[in-house]
Amino acid sequence: EDQVTQSPEALRLQEGESSSLNCSYTVSGLRGLFWYRQDPGKGPEFLFTLYSAGEEKEKERLKATLTKKESFLHITAPKPEDSATYLCAPSSGNTPLVFGKGTRLSVIA
Amino acid sequence: EPEVTQTPSHQVTQMGQEVILRCVPISNHLYFYWYRQILGQKVEFLVSFYNNEISEKSEIFDDQFSVERPDGSNFTLKIRSTKLEDSAMYFCASGLQPGTGELFFGEGSRLTVL
Repeated sequence: EDQVTQSPEALRLQEGESSSLNCSYTVSGLRGLFWYRQDPGKGPEFLFTLYSAGEEKEKERLKATLTKKESFLHITAPKPEDSATYLCAPSSGNTPLVFGKGTRLSVIA
Repeated sequence: EPEVTQTPSHQVTQMGQEVILRCVPISNHLYFYWYRQILGQKVEFLVSFYNNEISEKSEIFDDQFSVERPDGSNFTLKIRSTKLEDSAMYFCASGLQPGTGELFFGEGSRLTVL
């Protein structure tokens, strides 16, 4: 049974067109929700950890938020270099990270 | 900035051959992982390793797979008899804490089984 669902699977934006990516999870006893970025042919790169509902974290044009059932990754005024696959992974504690299928973001100049 | 390094970057092998993928984790990290990603699919957990033993493994990590940390710096994944379906990108990762800490991933080793 999938514990994490990411939507949309793919998103195409014009440069400067803000949007949000969704990560819905069913993990009980959430200890942390992780966002990673993966460029084609590369390993995932850590972006954020969110620990509790209501928490927000920002990095450049990205802002991650968390509720009890889902997390959003908001992208404000994206640039072509933000094009990547964004992965989320909820964690219930000392278990290895299990990633969602990701959202493939393309930002067109 | 410290990084996880993996070798080889690409390996082509014949079905049934043994393959060893190597990783050098970040030096002060304690937890080590192998993940794999079949082309176009999600990043899947294979195995975690702590204190010189496997701490957790997935259904994918069957008897054909093994891991070891032979010399305190390298972390290896061995596939004893490769199958066509083992073709994938294999990522090594390391971290300071299990589950609640960030993982640092290597650039990956692409395995092609013919």
